[in-house]
Amino acid sequence: EAQVTQNPRYLITVTGKKLTVTCSQNMNHEYMSWYRQDPGLGLRQIYYSMNVEVTDKGDVPEGYKVSRKEKRNFPLILESPSPNQTSLYFCASSLAFNNEQFFGPGTRLTVL
Amino acid sequence: AQSVTQPDIHITVSEGASLELRCNYSYGATPYLFWYVQSPGQGLQLLLKYFSGDTLVQGIKGFEAEFKRSQSSFNLRKPSVHWSDAAEYFCAVGAGYALNFGKGTSLLVTP
Repeated sequence: EAQVTQNPRYLITVTGKKLTVTCSQNMNHEYMSWYRQDPGLGLRQIYYSMNVEVTDKGDVPEGYKVSRKEKRNFPLILESPSPNQTSLYFCASSLAFNNEQFFGPGTRLTVL
Repeated sequence: AQSVTQPDIHITVSEGASLELRCNYSYGATPYLFWYVQSPGQGLQLLLKYFSGDTLVQGIKGFEAEFKRSQSSFNLRKPSVHWSDAAEYFCAVGAGYALNFGKGTSLLVTP
């Protein structure tokens, strides 16, 4: 089944404890992206990747890192999480940047 | 920088009535445009998209949208709403490699 998977789905952590949210797609998509969703703010793009080893900042990249070493994987790294990073995170992928994006199920992160 | 505005935060419609959700964008060139729907506790699903060509595009679940360049709008419509359409709707505008979402419109459907 064609899909985007994220792990973990739920995570509660404490301020400053490094964490990684994994994202993987099995559709051989070139483009991958991370978003955060907050009430009243919609979805905001954190980082995107046009291809392996090519990434760029979205609207809200501060406090996040990404890497794209393989085509199928695009992990989101929070080196020192803070409470303002408490949010619902979505990973998405598409054939190209201007194609339909397929979204993962989301990761709900709480930083205490 | 590009921006997307969905002027209506909440909309309430009676089942069977028509629906129009508004989306306005600001971008120098012709963007590529999407409408996504998010049911409670779910991820996002694409309803329809516009890249070029015919400005009236048809999507899934009976939805359609019209691109109006002169008004910088891409409004979503449905002639008869079903209770299962209750969800949050997001307009998204692509510019270059980035994708910008509006803040969403929450649709409530009453009996």
